[in-house]
Amino acid sequence: GAVVSQHPSRVICKSGTSVKIECRSLDFQATTMFWYRQFPKQSLMLMATSNEGSKATYEQGVEKDKFLINHASLTLSTLTVTSAHPEDSSFYICSAGRDSKRGIDTQYFGPGTRLTVL
Amino acid sequence: SQQGEEDPQALSIQEGENATMNCSYKTSINNLQWYRQNSGRGLVHLILIRSNEREKHSGRLRVTLDTSKKSSSLLITASRAADTASYFCATKRGAQKLVFGQGTRLTINP
Repeated sequence: GAVVSQHPSRVICKSGTSVKIECRSLDFQATTMFWYRQFPKQSLMLMATSNEGSKATYEQGVEKDKFLINHASLTLSTLTVTSAHPEDSSFYICSAGRDSKRGIDTQYFGPGTRLTVL
Repeated sequence: SQQGEEDPQALSIQEGENATMNCSYKTSINNLQWYRQNSGRGLVHLILIRSNEREKHSGRLRVTLDTSKKSSSLLITASRAADTASYFCATKRGAQKLVFGQGTRLTINP
């Protein structure tokens, strides 16, 4: 299957700082990338859909100004958690979608980034 | 909001036994997918079944889909310790969005 990487895999930061997470599709061009958040022992919650060259579409309840998403190229999307607080501590997972005639059937997931805000 | 409800939430069986997990959903779908997640890791795509399909096989995996009952099941035969993971169903709504179920934590005891 396709390979999606995330960097960093783990980050610890102080409250009030901003953290940038990168998501890269390594072997295909992804016009669409997705950002999810997962709390311990819970399911994935879609935060936003990122389309290359346009603004991200955020899910209801997700603050656009807090979670900045940039999809500058077909292989890179970034999520910046601005002014992070302890409640933002979570596992953030990105995925890249491969277009087909039916739209995007399969998403390829990155390994995730564990964010801990002190 | 999460559409899928998975059952059971946790399952513990002996190595070699079969494991069955169920997923129910609420709205119409284009397809349903199953993913595996090892602890603290990303998701691995296992199998996709389209709304016009009833059953699909991949190795030791067997997936069924009943659109009249809005439910799906994932059967893992001859389980191995390496199958220990969380399993999520995800339904495709609209053109792109995947909505995940709550997941089943499967433990295979040696």
